[in-house]
Amino acid sequence: DAGVIQSPRHEVTEMGQEVTLRCKPISGHNSLFWYRQTMMRGLELLIYFNNNVPIDDSGMPEDRFSAKMPNASFSTLKIQPSEPRDSAVYFCASSLAASWAGELFFGEGSRLTVL
Amino acid sequence: GENVEQHPSTLSVQEGDSAVIKCTYSDSASNYFPWYKQELGKRPQLIIDIRSNVGEKKDQRIAVTLNKTAKHFSLHITETQPEDSAVYFCAANQFKTGANNLFFGTGTRLTVIP
Repeated sequence: DAGVIQSPRHEVTEMGQEVTLRCKPISGHNSLFWYRQTMMRGLELLIYFNNNVPIDDSGMPEDRFSAKMPNASFSTLKIQPSEPRDSAVYFCASSLAASWAGELFFGEGSRLTVL
Repeated sequence: GENVEQHPSTLSVQEGDSAVIKCTYSDSASNYFPWYKQELGKRPQLIIDIRSNVGEKKDQRIAVTLNKTAKHFSLHITETQPEDSAVYFCAANQFKTGANNLFFGTGTRLTVIP
């Protein structure tokens, strides 16, 4: 398996533009997580899904952020409209089983810069 | 929710010395405590984990200890090497119906001086 695949790896956009980040989890994994990493706040959990269903989105900063998982092999994180304070590295991660805590496999991350 | 605190934020050691990183957690229901290593510009990767039914686990130069009563756990790296230089994150799970999610500490930047 190629691991968790994220795209784009880098995104530079202007304030007010829509940003869509994409993630393909490892095949067979039931849980998918979106994290945001900044120097100031470290790794923050934004939202996670189990079997494509959002379980907890309490970490989503505000209504400008939304996430979907239409099927087991694809998820998106959308920011609309984007703001400079959204600049960060966004990681997607997946894990095998929802009922048994185990390793999270992270993607390479999407580095977002909002000017 | 779970709150994980990690200390120190930076740590410098001489090559060959030991390094210790400490974390505390708040949720007594947490039962899974992994440690991740993140090299510069790379993804976090699991290096060792421990579950609440054991007090210590070793893997070559790396060990983790867990004190459930005090709600703290530590990472120990012996005989440090320059390639151990990275940011290390501790984490604790919070089980909710449907999934296990991880809460991470703020990270420790370890520098091993040759």
